[in-house]
Amino acid sequence: EAEVAQSPRYKITEKSQAVAFWCDPISGHATLYWYRQILGQGPELLVQFQDESVVDDSQLPKDRFSAERLKGVDSTLKIQPAELGDSAMYLCASSLADNQPQHFGDGTRLSIL
Amino acid sequence: AQSVAQPEDQVNVAEGNPLTVKCTYSVSGNPYLFWYVQYPNRGLQFLLKYITGDNLVKGSYGFEAEFNKSQTSFHLKKPSALVSDSALYFCAVTPRGGYQKVTFGTGTKLQVIP
Repeated sequence: EAEVAQSPRYKITEKSQAVAFWCDPISGHATLYWYRQILGQGPELLVQFQDESVVDDSQLPKDRFSAERLKGVDSTLKIQPAELGDSAMYLCASSLADNQPQHFGDGTRLSIL
Repeated sequence: AQSVAQPEDQVNVAEGNPLTVKCTYSVSGNPYLFWYVQYPNRGLQFLLKYITGDNLVKGSYGFEAEFNKSQTSFHLKKPSALVSDSALYFCAVTPRGGYQKVTFGTGTKLQVIP
């Protein structure tokens, strides 16, 4: 079982609905990442936090996606409204610093109907 | 902008034979380089990293990687492949200094044939 906790593992919902993913990183890890991984591709960074601050959200579709890490510990990624093209694996990772190895959760597989 | 290329979508190797998974990168300055492995329906797991020093880096599960600055490569190797090594392998790079985003390659599927 992964050290980084993510829930839910699977989510099936209809387009236009709201979806939320939760991530609890390894204790003491200041850096937290959310990635989107489409089948057969590498992870694409959506947002990176340093403690509670956003360091990079340049690839986050801000019209529908939001992310927060209010107390600098766990984090939530939200999509509203979901679109068919959002179907993918959403991975959370954490690390001690941004040049250190990342530890990944097992992800949330999202299917939009 | 930095980039990572994994030229082979899939590598097939017989069990017990040596394996190589290729990675080349493009980055300004000296890089940090990483290899990760992903099993089906799981997140990525860290295998090894190059920060500085010895060009041959040893990692988990008997894997190693060789950093070649002149060829901008960081190939993953293992002397004797196991069936359980069959998985998806990702190379990643990040430049040094300040905040730098990690860029992942597109992945190479390793199939070890019994």
